[in-house]
Amino acid sequence: ILNVEQSPQSLHVQEGDSTNFTCSFPSSNFYALHWYRWETAKSPEALFVMTLNGDEKKKGRISATLNTKEGYSYLYIKGSQPEDSATYLCARNTDKLIFGTGTRLQVFP
Amino acid sequence: NAGVTQTPKFRVLKTGQSMTLLCAQDMNHEYMYWYRQDPGMGLRLIHYSVGEGTTAKGEVPDGYNVSRLKKQNFLLGLESAAPSQTSVYFCASRRTSGSRGNEQFFGPGTRLTVL
Repeated sequence: ILNVEQSPQSLHVQEGDSTNFTCSFPSSNFYALHWYRWETAKSPEALFVMTLNGDEKKKGRISATLNTKEGYSYLYIKGSQPEDSATYLCARNTDKLIFGTGTRLQVFP
Repeated sequence: NAGVTQTPKFRVLKTGQSMTLLCAQDMNHEYMYWYRQDPGMGLRLIHYSVGEGTTAKGEVPDGYNVSRLKKQNFLLGLESAAPSQTSVYFCASRRTSGSRGNEQFFGPGTRLTVL
């Protein structure tokens, strides 16, 4: 994998469903992996910065895991709410961030 | 703390006109970045700076110039605007990369239309 890739591109879920999406990145020369939440008409806001293989981070109903050896990170949302609707971006960190194109999540009431 | 601010918020240019976008941060961050956001393309890095007086090219630098004369400001210039530069521009800043866990803070964006 040469670039940061995210899947799926978009996701529609019902309120209360749990969901997860994937970020894949080059596993060589790993430094850090960022997750950002980006609501429409706003700026991206940092959710997690992950640096160690096996890292698990949690913020409320949102959590993330990191596997640097195989080059992937998962973002989980438990019991999705309409306010979780946003684009979730991951980015590989060297001296600059290389972003994936994001997963656009829509949660319907 | 205002965080990261961008001026202007909106601008419409004619092809061939020039303009400068200003990014300012009051967090004493060393690193600053300019991105453009286009539908289906995510955030693409135009130029970045690792400190006052230094700049470097990102993924899509052509048609843009930058300057970092003061630590708190990062300017993005378009010398001769083209319709392909119609986009939303985001500035971001970050503390020194001495710590791997430093997040980026983003400004509110500048929506630029080139006719």
